[in-house]
Amino acid sequence: EAGVAQSPRYKIIEKRQSVAFWCNPISGHATLYWYQQILGQGPKLLIQFQNNGVVDDSQLPKDRFSAERLKGVDSTLKIQPAKLEDSAVYLCASSLDGDSHNEQFFGPGTRLTVL
Amino acid sequence: AQKITQTQPGMFVQEKEAVTLDCTYDTSDPSYGLFWYKQPSSGEMIFLIYQGSYDQQNATEGRYSLNFQKARKSANLVISASQLGDSAMYFCAMREKAGNQFYFGTGTSLTVIP
Repeated sequence: EAGVAQSPRYKIIEKRQSVAFWCNPISGHATLYWYQQILGQGPKLLIQFQNNGVVDDSQLPKDRFSAERLKGVDSTLKIQPAKLEDSAVYLCASSLDGDSHNEQFFGPGTRLTVL
Repeated sequence: AQKITQTQPGMFVQEKEAVTLDCTYDTSDPSYGLFWYKQPSSGEMIFLIYQGSYDQQNATEGRYSLNFQKARKSANLVISASQLGDSAMYFCAMREKAGNQFYFGTGTSLTVIP
Protein backbone atom coordinates (compact mmCIF):
# COMPACT_ATOMS: atom_id res chain seq x y z
CA GLU A 1 0.00 0.00 0.00
CA ALA A 2 1.43 3.36 -1.01
CA GLY A 3 1.88 5.90 1.76
CA VAL A 4 1.03 9.58 1.89
CA ALA A 5 2.88 11.45 -0.83
CA GLN A 6 4.00 15.05 -0.56
CA SER A 7 5.87 17.38 -2.86
CA PRO A 8 8.12 19.18 -2.98
CA ARG A 9 10.33 17.85 -0.20
CA TYR A 10 12.22 21.11 0.15
CA LYS A 11 11.45 24.68 -0.82
CA ILE A 12 13.37 27.90 -0.31
CA ILE A 13 11.66 31.21 -1.07
CA GLU A 14 12.03 34.85 -0.17
CA LYS A 15 9.55 36.59 2.09
CA ARG A 16 6.48 37.96 0.35
CA GLN A 17 6.68 35.26 -2.32
CA SER A 18 4.02 32.60 -2.66
CA VAL A 19 4.41 28.83 -2.38
CA ALA A 20 2.21 25.77 -2.76
CA PHE A 21 2.49 22.28 -1.36
CA TRP A 22 0.79 19.16 -2.66
CA CYS A 23 -0.41 16.06 -0.83
CA ASN A 24 -1.83 12.77 -2.03
CA PRO A 25 -3.29 10.75 0.85
CA ILE A 26 -3.52 7.00 1.16
CA SER A 27 -6.20 5.64 -1.16
CA GLY A 28 -9.55 5.41 0.57
CA HIS A 29 -8.67 7.72 3.43
CA ALA A 30 -11.49 10.19 3.91
CA THR A 31 -9.76 12.48 6.38
CA LEU A 32 -6.78 14.63 5.44
CA TYR A 33 -4.79 16.92 7.70
CA TRP A 34 -2.21 19.64 7.18
CA TYR A 35 0.17 20.39 10.03
CA GLN A 36 2.85 22.99 10.57
CA GLN A 37 5.84 21.81 12.60
CA ILE A 38 8.28 24.48 13.65
CA LEU A 39 11.72 23.23 14.62
CA GLY A 40 11.75 21.86 18.16
CA GLN A 41 7.97 21.82 18.51
CA GLY A 42 5.14 19.36 18.02
CA PRO A 43 2.93 19.48 14.93
CA LYS A 44 0.23 22.14 14.93
CA LEU A 45 -2.95 21.40 13.03
CA LEU A 46 -3.66 23.93 10.30
CA ILE A 47 -6.66 22.38 8.60
CA GLN A 48 -8.59 19.13 8.55
CA PHE A 49 -10.72 17.86 5.68
CA GLN A 50 -13.35 15.16 5.73
CA ASN A 51 -13.65 14.15 2.07
CA ASN A 52 -13.69 17.56 0.36
CA GLY A 53 -15.28 19.49 3.23
CA VAL A 54 -13.41 21.46 5.89
CA VAL A 55 -13.88 20.08 9.41
CA ASP A 56 -11.53 22.40 11.28
CA ASP A 57 -9.50 25.37 10.08
CA SER A 58 -9.51 27.34 13.32
CA GLN A 59 -5.71 27.61 13.44
CA LEU A 60 -5.18 28.40 9.78
CA PRO A 61 -3.94 32.00 9.26
CA LYS A 62 -6.55 32.73 6.65
CA ASP A 63 -5.10 36.06 5.64
CA ARG A 64 -2.18 34.23 4.01
CA PHE A 65 -2.84 30.50 4.06
CA SER A 66 -5.39 28.63 1.98
CA ALA A 67 -6.06 24.98 1.32
CA GLU A 68 -8.32 22.95 -0.85
CA ARG A 69 -9.06 19.31 -1.43
CA LEU A 70 -10.42 18.79 -4.87
CA LYS A 71 -12.73 15.81 -5.34
CA GLY A 72 -11.93 14.64 -1.84
CA VAL A 73 -8.54 13.18 -2.78
CA ASP A 74 -5.45 15.35 -3.40
CA SER A 75 -4.94 18.53 -1.46
CA THR A 76 -2.90 21.70 -1.89
CA LEU A 77 -1.80 24.15 0.78
CA LYS A 78 -0.81 27.64 -0.32
CA ILE A 79 0.94 30.47 1.44
CA GLN A 80 0.68 33.94 -0.07
CA PRO A 81 2.60 36.04 0.86
CA ALA A 82 5.11 34.10 2.94
CA LYS A 83 6.67 35.50 6.11
CA LEU A 84 9.89 34.57 7.84
CA GLU A 85 7.97 32.84 10.64
CA ASP A 86 6.41 30.44 8.13
CA SER A 87 9.71 28.56 7.96
CA ALA A 88 8.74 25.08 9.13
CA VAL A 89 8.03 21.56 8.01
CA TYR A 90 4.55 21.14 6.56
CA LEU A 91 3.21 17.68 7.21
CA CYS A 92 0.27 16.09 5.48
CA ALA A 93 -1.48 13.16 7.11
CA SER A 94 -4.50 11.02 6.36
CA SER A 95 -6.72 8.61 8.24
CA LEU A 96 -9.55 6.28 7.30
CA ASP A 97 -12.20 8.46 8.86
CA GLY A 98 -12.84 10.64 11.83
CA ASP A 99 -13.19 7.82 14.34
CA SER A 100 -11.08 8.35 17.44
CA HIS A 101 -9.27 5.02 17.14
CA ASN A 102 -7.92 5.54 13.63
CA GLU A 103 -4.30 6.54 13.56
CA GLN A 104 -2.93 9.12 11.17
CA PHE A 105 -0.42 8.20 8.53
CA PHE A 106 2.04 10.96 7.74
CA GLY A 107 3.81 11.95 4.59
CA PRO A 108 7.54 12.81 4.54
CA GLY A 109 6.80 16.53 4.88
CA THR A 110 7.88 19.63 2.99
CA ARG A 111 10.62 21.67 4.59
CA LEU A 112 10.02 25.36 3.84
CA THR A 113 12.69 27.99 4.38
CA VAL A 114 11.66 31.62 4.02
CA LEU A 115 14.58 34.03 3.61
CA ALA B 1 -5.09 24.31 29.17
CA GLN B 2 -2.74 22.04 27.30
CA LYS B 3 -4.45 18.98 25.91
CA ILE B 4 -1.23 16.93 25.89
CA THR B 5 1.72 17.52 28.20
CA GLN B 6 5.12 15.93 27.81
CA THR B 7 7.35 17.16 30.61
CA GLN B 8 10.62 15.56 29.51
CA PRO B 9 12.30 17.60 26.76
CA GLY B 10 15.20 15.14 26.62
CA MET B 11 15.94 11.65 27.91
CA PHE B 12 18.99 9.41 27.80
CA VAL B 13 18.98 5.63 28.13
CA GLN B 14 21.65 2.98 27.97
CA GLU B 15 21.37 0.52 25.13
CA LYS B 16 19.35 -2.60 26.11
CA GLU B 17 17.77 -0.81 29.07
CA ALA B 18 14.09 0.13 29.35
CA VAL B 19 12.90 3.75 29.32
CA THR B 20 9.59 5.44 30.13
CA LEU B 21 8.44 8.56 28.32
CA ASP B 22 5.78 10.52 30.17
CA CYS B 23 2.53 11.86 28.76
CA THR B 24 -0.48 13.38 30.51
CA TYR B 25 -3.63 14.54 28.80
CA ASP B 26 -6.66 16.66 29.48
CA THR B 27 -10.12 15.93 28.13
CA SER B 28 -13.73 15.81 29.25
CA ASP B 29 -14.73 13.60 26.34
CA PRO B 30 -15.33 10.04 27.63
CA SER B 31 -14.35 8.62 24.24
CA TYR B 32 -10.84 9.32 23.01
CA GLY B 33 -7.76 7.67 21.62
CA LEU B 34 -4.16 8.08 22.66
CA PHE B 35 -1.29 7.63 20.23
CA TRP B 36 2.48 7.65 20.28
CA TYR B 37 4.55 8.61 17.26
CA LYS B 38 8.29 8.45 16.63
CA GLN B 39 10.02 11.10 14.54
CA PRO B 40 13.62 10.27 13.58
CA SER B 41 15.97 12.97 12.37
CA SER B 42 14.82 12.25 8.82
CA GLY B 43 11.51 13.87 9.73
CA GLU B 44 8.85 11.27 9.03
CA MET B 45 6.27 10.57 11.72
CA ILE B 46 5.96 6.87 12.48
CA PHE B 47 2.95 5.50 14.33
CA LEU B 48 3.97 3.28 17.26
CA ILE B 49 1.04 2.38 19.48
CA TYR B 50 -2.60 3.19 20.23
CA GLN B 51 -4.71 3.07 23.42
CA GLY B 52 -8.46 3.62 23.42
CA SER B 53 -10.17 5.21 26.39
CA TYR B 54 -12.39 2.18 26.89
CA ASP B 55 -9.63 -0.38 26.54
CA GLN B 56 -9.29 -2.41 29.71
CA GLN B 57 -5.76 -3.60 29.08
CA ASN B 58 -2.60 -1.65 28.37
CA ALA B 59 -1.63 -1.69 24.71
CA THR B 60 1.52 -3.48 23.61
CA GLU B 61 3.31 -3.57 20.26
CA GLY B 62 6.56 -5.47 20.27
CA ARG B 63 9.03 -3.57 22.44
CA TYR B 64 6.53 -0.75 22.98
CA SER B 65 3.93 -0.76 25.71
CA LEU B 66 1.64 1.93 26.99
CA ASN B 67 1.16 2.39 30.71
CA PHE B 68 -2.41 3.73 30.71
CA GLN B 69 -3.66 5.19 33.99
CA LYS B 70 -7.05 6.62 33.16
CA ALA B 71 -7.83 8.15 36.54
CA ARG B 72 -4.55 10.01 36.48
CA LYS B 73 -4.96 10.86 32.78
CA SER B 74 -1.55 9.55 31.92
CA ALA B 75 -0.39 7.44 28.98
CA ASN B 76 3.30 6.78 29.36
CA LEU B 77 5.25 4.98 26.66
CA VAL B 78 7.60 2.23 27.79
CA ILE B 79 10.33 1.10 25.41
CA SER B 80 12.02 -2.12 26.50
CA ALA B 81 15.48 -3.25 25.44
CA SER B 82 16.41 0.10 23.87
CA GLN B 83 18.28 0.05 20.59
CA LEU B 84 20.44 2.73 18.99
CA GLY B 85 17.78 3.14 16.32
CA ASP B 86 15.31 4.24 18.97
CA SER B 87 17.07 7.60 19.18
CA ALA B 88 14.43 10.06 17.94
CA MET B 89 11.74 12.51 19.00
CA TYR B 90 8.66 10.90 20.49
CA PHE B 91 5.27 12.57 20.39
CA CYS B 92 2.18 11.73 22.40
CA ALA B 93 -1.13 12.61 20.77
CA MET B 94 -4.81 12.43 21.57
CA ARG B 95 -7.91 12.33 19.46
CA GLU B 96 -11.29 13.09 20.97
CA LYS B 97 -14.37 11.52 19.45
CA ALA B 98 -16.11 14.88 19.48
CA GLY B 99 -14.32 17.25 17.14
CA ASN B 100 -11.95 14.71 15.57
CA GLN B 101 -8.92 16.89 16.03
CA PHE B 102 -5.52 15.44 16.89
CA TYR B 103 -3.63 17.16 19.69
CA PHE B 104 0.12 16.67 19.90
CA GLY B 105 2.49 17.22 22.78
CA THR B 106 5.78 19.08 22.48
CA GLY B 107 7.74 15.86 22.25
CA THR B 108 10.57 14.12 24.09
CA SER B 109 13.97 13.69 22.51
CA LEU B 110 15.34 10.24 23.33
CA THR B 111 19.02 9.42 22.95
CA VAL B 112 20.18 5.83 23.29
CA ILE B 113 23.76 5.56 24.49
CA PRO B 114 25.86 2.58 23.37
